Amino acid sequence: GESVGLHLPTLSVQEGDNSIINCAYSNSASDYFIWYKQESGKGPQFIIDIRSNMDKRQGQRVTVLLNKTVKHLSLQIAATQPGDSAVYFCAENPYNTDKLIFGTGTRLQVFP
Amino acid sequence: DAGVIQSPRHEVTEMGQEVTLRCKPISGHDYLFWYRQTMMRGLELLIYFNNNVPIDDSGMPEDRFSAKMPNASFSTLKIQPSEPRDSAVYFCASSPGFRDHGLNYGYTFGSGTRLTVV
Repeated sequence: GESVGLHLPTLSVQEGDNSIINCAYSNSASDYFIWYKQESGKGPQFIIDIRSNMDKRQGQRVTVLLNKTVKHLSLQIAATQPGDSAVYFCAENPYNTDKLIFGTGTRLQVFP
Repeated sequence: DAGVIQSPRHEVTEMGQEVTLRCKPISGHDYLFWYRQTMMRGLELLIYFNNNVPIDDSGMPEDRFSAKMPNASFSTLKIQPSEPRDSAVYFCASSPGFRDHGLNYGYTFGSGTRLTVV
């Protein structure tokens, strides 16, 4: 029979624009969250993290926002560049565990 | 540091054969994780170790899969016998542990082993 694969949501942006990638997490007891970037043929790469006692954290060109009320994370990338094209995953760490549970990912495509 | 090192990068094997994937974590990292990535199921945690001891193997698909960590610098994931549905990219990751730390302690992933079972 025909197999059904994951349908990755895709965000297409123009170079120089800002990108916002969203993620809904599942466990209200999760207290640590990470965004990863995965380029084709490579392993996921750490971008930025945030703990549940924060609602915003900024890095270089990236900002993560956490809304615990609705269990929502977002990753904002300023002045998106072609090198930002990749699949982005959010991951949550359930409280009192050492493991990360990954979301399904969002593909970011940057056009010149 | 060379990062997390996985071998081989690619493996093609026939159904029924034994496959062994290898991982060298970052020195000093107490945690080692094995993940599988497929289009169907995304990134799935298979098993993880703390100080060489398996902590959670609830993600291991079935008895055909086994993982060992004989010392702090080496781990293997073995599939015996392999089946076509095992075809995937298998990632190893290591971490110093983030429950007791502040920030910037997320996992570091290796480059993965792409397994094809024909």
